[in-house]
Amino acid sequence: DQQVKQNSPSLSVQEGRISILNCDYTNSMFDYFLWYKKYPAEGPTFLISISSIKDKNEDGRFTVFLNKSAKHLSLHIVPSQPGDSAVYFCAAKGSGGSNYKLTFGKGTLLTVNP
Amino acid sequence: EPEVTQTPSHQVTQMGQEVILRCVPISNHLYFYWYRQILGQKVEFLVSFYNNEISEKSEIFDDQFSVERPDGSNFTLKIRSTKLEDSAMYFCASIGQVVNSPLHFGNGTRLTVT
Repeated sequence: DQQVKQNSPSLSVQEGRISILNCDYTNSMFDYFLWYKKYPAEGPTFLISISSIKDKNEDGRFTVFLNKSAKHLSLHIVPSQPGDSAVYFCAAKGSGGSNYKLTFGKGTLLTVNP
Repeated sequence: EPEVTQTPSHQVTQMGQEVILRCVPISNHLYFYWYRQILGQKVEFLVSFYNNEISEKSEIFDDQFSVERPDGSNFTLKIRSTKLEDSAMYFCASIGQVVNSPLHFGNGTRLTVT
């Protein structure tokens, strides 16, 4: 039951260029989406998020776009830096209730080459 | 910046043994979670905990698993009789408020069951 899908297991980009990481979801009840970055031997680190009432959120080099009709979101990193090399997880939260259960995608390994 | 801390970083145990994974959530947080990631797979929700009781658990969280907040700072995950397939990274997470805030994860405990 893959409610959150990251279809690209890996992505390789040259330093200075744009990295675009994609994520698709199937559950229309998701109302909040997050991107986490994970280095080996560390826990996921929150990067950026977007509420379902928005279509874009920007924070420095990182921008997340949400297309609700297509149930698709993407993370843009520009310019990409070698330190951005990590696994990026897309996550989604359902609406309502007192719980905060995140559903994660499988992750995309980003490699930024100098 | 406050952190979620987990100990130990690596735990090796024999099949059938009990293991306790420990977490110290961020001090003013109220909601606590355990997630796990089997090698090569996605990060999976195990259980959420609020007001000294489990608020939601996944199918993975069977009778072999339990959680406890024995004092005001620690949050533990106990696996009663470990199986080989319990080998994974276990991440603790916490959040102060539920509405559209990111989960903060610890660096994880790598559990190896032999």
